Amino acid sequence: DGGITQSPKYLFRKEGQNVTLSCEQNLNHDAMYWYRQDPGQGLRLIYYSQIVNDFQKGDIAEGYSVSREKKESFPLTVTSAQKNPTAFYLCASTRRGTGSTDTQYFGPGTRLTVL
Amino acid sequence: GDSVTQMEGPVTLSEEAFLTINCTYTATGYPSLFWYVQYPGEGLQLLLKATKADDKGSNKGFEATYRKETTSFHLEKGSVQVSDSAVYFCALTENTGNQFYFGTGTSLTVIP
Repeated sequence: DGGITQSPKYLFRKEGQNVTLSCEQNLNHDAMYWYRQDPGQGLRLIYYSQIVNDFQKGDIAEGYSVSREKKESFPLTVTSAQKNPTAFYLCASTRRGTGSTDTQYFGPGTRLTVL
Repeated sequence: GDSVTQMEGPVTLSEEAFLTINCTYTATGYPSLFWYVQYPGEGLQLLLKATKADDKGSNKGFEATYRKETTSFHLEKGSVQVSDSAVYFCALTENTGNQFYFGTGTSLTVIP
């Protein structure tokens, strides 16, 4: 079955540590996205990538970094510079990027808690 | 810029009641419109979509019609079930851009 996997489901981190969230898709989609969701709130875009080796900042990129070395993988690093990292993180993908209105598909999410 | 405004929640209904969740949008061109559903602790799942004016998206008893004249895409279901309890998100994307725009979500609780 094709889909998006995120690991781990739950992640705990001590203050001052960097942590990397995994996102893998086997849908052969070009574009991938990272969102942050806080309790009772909508989704806020962190970073997105339309193609391998290219990515753009979203609305709340400060304190986060990404890479897109392979089409199927788009890991997100939450750095110690992110002031309030405890949240639910969602990865998504679309078949095509700019210029399309393709459906966005989501992974199951990773809940990050900073202790 | 593009944006989506949806009805504030939470919404609580009795089983078999009629559901409407309002969604209006602002877009510069001709967007595609979506409804997603999120169950507790999970990612978003596509519920239905419509790609042009007057299209009706439907799935699992839910329906929404793309109304260009009122810039709306209201979600409806004739008879809700307890299993419909979730958070519902309205969203849009345009072929002139590269992002999705989501509403803030509406929490629905259906009681037996």
